[in-house]
Amino acid sequence: QAALTQPASVSGSPGQSITISCTGTSSDVGGYNYVSWCQQHPDKAPKVIIFDVSSRPSGVSNRFSGSKSGNTASLTISGLQAEDEADYYCSSYTSSNTVLFGGGTKLTVL
Amino acid sequence: QVHLVESGGGVVQAGRSLRLSCAASGFSFSSYGMHWVRQAPGKGLEWVAVIWYDGSKKYYADSVKGRFTISRDNSKNTLYLQMDSLRVDDTAVYSCAIPLNSAWSFDYWGQGTLVTVSS
Repeated sequence: QAALTQPASVSGSPGQSITISCTGTSSDVGGYNYVSWCQQHPDKAPKVIIFDVSSRPSGVSNRFSGSKSGNTASLTISGLQAEDEADYYCSSYTSSNTVLFGGGTKLTVL
Repeated sequence: QVHLVESGGGVVQAGRSLRLSCAASGFSFSSYGMHWVRQAPGKGLEWVAVIWYDGSKKYYADSVKGRFTISRDNSKNTLYLQMDSLRVDDTAVYSCAIPLNSAWSFDYWGQGTLVTVSS
């Protein structure tokens, strides 16, 4: 069960847009619409910001959006704000009825 | 509102056992599956196990299969994780999480309980 592949870090300036990728296989990301994204600030519990590839929970800013193409899912944050600086993790249901997380991406707001 | 509180963590020697609990409130516990997720110090998230709403099905990460057992008591609104044959690399903060919006999302998390396995 290898972890999903995410870039270790991304950065952007306030107001810009960034995209974080999450690559898996046809047995997980590519095979099901059960990709989620979590945001985690230091020493805080993770918070889900996207579920089922592109759905946003109530209360989550519409600056966060998700998509998927083939075996790669993506999280886009538009209008970058200082408070967006955090770690981001993707996760996916797998054909084995398990879940895989990505290795995490550290977002730095310059 | 949804509230998840983990307990049972601590320092334990390699090879020994520990049982974690997750007390849930603010939602219909018996209607939802539940997950355990862990995070080693300074590392990323790792999914551990899931249990169906009625306890009928359980699935585990390969790294814990055969050593950890997930269970629940719907009469007590409590989730458990029995951890046997603990290894040093099991050291992590263990959190319970509930998928409310979708079957395989992690919509609410507890604050976690730290398990430290010493050699």
